[in-house]
Amino acid sequence: ETGVTQSPTHLIKTRGQQVTLRCSSQSGHNTVSWYQQALGQGPQFIFQYYREEENGRGNFPPRFSGLQFPNYSSELNVNALELDDSALYLCASRKPGYQETQYFGPGTRLLVL
Amino acid sequence: DQQVKQNSPSLSVQEGRISILNCDYTNSMFDYFLWYKKYPAEGPTFLISISSIKDKNEDGRFTVFLNKSAKHLSLHIVPSQPGDSAVYFCAAVYGGGDKLTFGTGTRLAVRP
Repeated sequence: ETGVTQSPTHLIKTRGQQVTLRCSSQSGHNTVSWYQQALGQGPQFIFQYYREEENGRGNFPPRFSGLQFPNYSSELNVNALELDDSALYLCASRKPGYQETQYFGPGTRLLVL
Repeated sequence: DQQVKQNSPSLSVQEGRISILNCDYTNSMFDYFLWYKKYPAEGPTFLISISSIKDKNEDGRFTVFLNKSAKHLSLHIVPSQPGDSAVYFCAAVYGGGDKLTFGTGTRLAVRP
């Protein structure tokens, strides 16, 4: 069973730009969630996708958006980047019926200058 | 509004001794609690969980205790090993959902 992978591993952008982060879920996992982990903080829930539809959202503005594809891979898009968007972005996937056990990828570290 | 709190940013213990990591929460709606371990450059890895209907769950060297009245849970690692050195996150969910609310983490260092 392959793990959750994310790309790129690191990224540097400037304020105002747009960024797309990618996640490839484990085989058989139909739900993917995205989290933002700022320095010194715990991960914060951004949103979740289930069967290609957004299925829950945390306290993040609409410039954070996502997509889930039929093969259960996912994208996180952030428009109009702000300095505070600098963080580690984690995606997590889970199997149907295994509500509590989410498997996390290694994350993408985004730096906004 | 920090609904899950880990007040100790770091903990150092001797190999072979017990490590106790603490977590407090404020939202009484939480009904499931999890501990994750995170190594540098890796994502968090699920360690152990506990439902609010229980007060203890054990898995090998790891035991989680839940005190609902105090809104407090703790993770015990016995005996501690150098490979346990990592950042430990407490997380909570409610209503069978997937939205994990994490604490800020405790960095555990196990000294050989």
